[in-house]
Amino acid sequence: DVQLLESGGALVQPGGSLRLSCAASGFTFTTYAMTWVRQAPGKGLEWVSAVSYSGLSTYYAGSVKGRFTISRDNSKNTLHLQMNSLRDEDTAIYYCGKVYSGDGYNSAFDSWGQGTLVTVSS
Amino acid sequence: QSVLTQPPSASGTPGQRVTISCSGSSSSIGSNAVSWYQHLPGTAPKLLIYSSIRRPSGVPDRFSGSRSGTSASLAISGLQSEDEADYYCAAWDDSLSGVVFGGGTKLTVL
Repeated sequence: DVQLLESGGALVQPGGSLRLSCAASGFTFTTYAMTWVRQAPGKGLEWVSAVSYSGLSTYYAGSVKGRFTISRDNSKNTLHLQMNSLRDEDTAIYYCGKVYSGDGYNSAFDSWGQGTLVTVSS
Repeated sequence: QSVLTQPPSASGTPGQRVTISCSGSSSSIGSNAVSWYQHLPGTAPKLLIYSSIRRPSGVPDRFSGSRSGTSASLAISGLQSEDEADYYCAAWDDSLSGVVFGGGTKLTVL
């Protein structure tokens, strides 16, 4: 079975940094693109970022571009999201997702983790 | 304000058929496949439909998707109480070079 386990969520002050990780198992990690999606309190799902199977292509939502960096370590089956210059509006549950294909420009995420909570507050 | 537009709520009685619409643009739904998700807050979202009309294995055939022009729809037939959840559409947007979600539709089973 596919398993995705996020970690790294925490309470951080505005302007601070945080690194999320997602440990993947149960599938050939090197074959699939991966993504991050978030849900702010009382709001809907918002796509954050995606990375191709190789890690060579990355994609970002306008709201995080220039502040967040997605990466993957295919030797450790792990996905990361480095979040810098955090703002109050970045407060959300962050979900890691497996993309249905190897490229990142796809909206089909067929497996999801349980999420990790990021709270940005002073 | 979401790039894809969904009605905020929908409802039906057990056994009924309900449809949820999703309106986009030429750069999103007009050019790319649509996905649909079921989400209960606090849990992992579940992929219901991909490539606009296809169901992943394990998703009941009560769920079906369609796409026409710049709009898409999710239909749920034989409505059950466990279908009460939030439903989201999503698509790649060529202009934004990213995935866009609809605002979500809260489905209530009366």
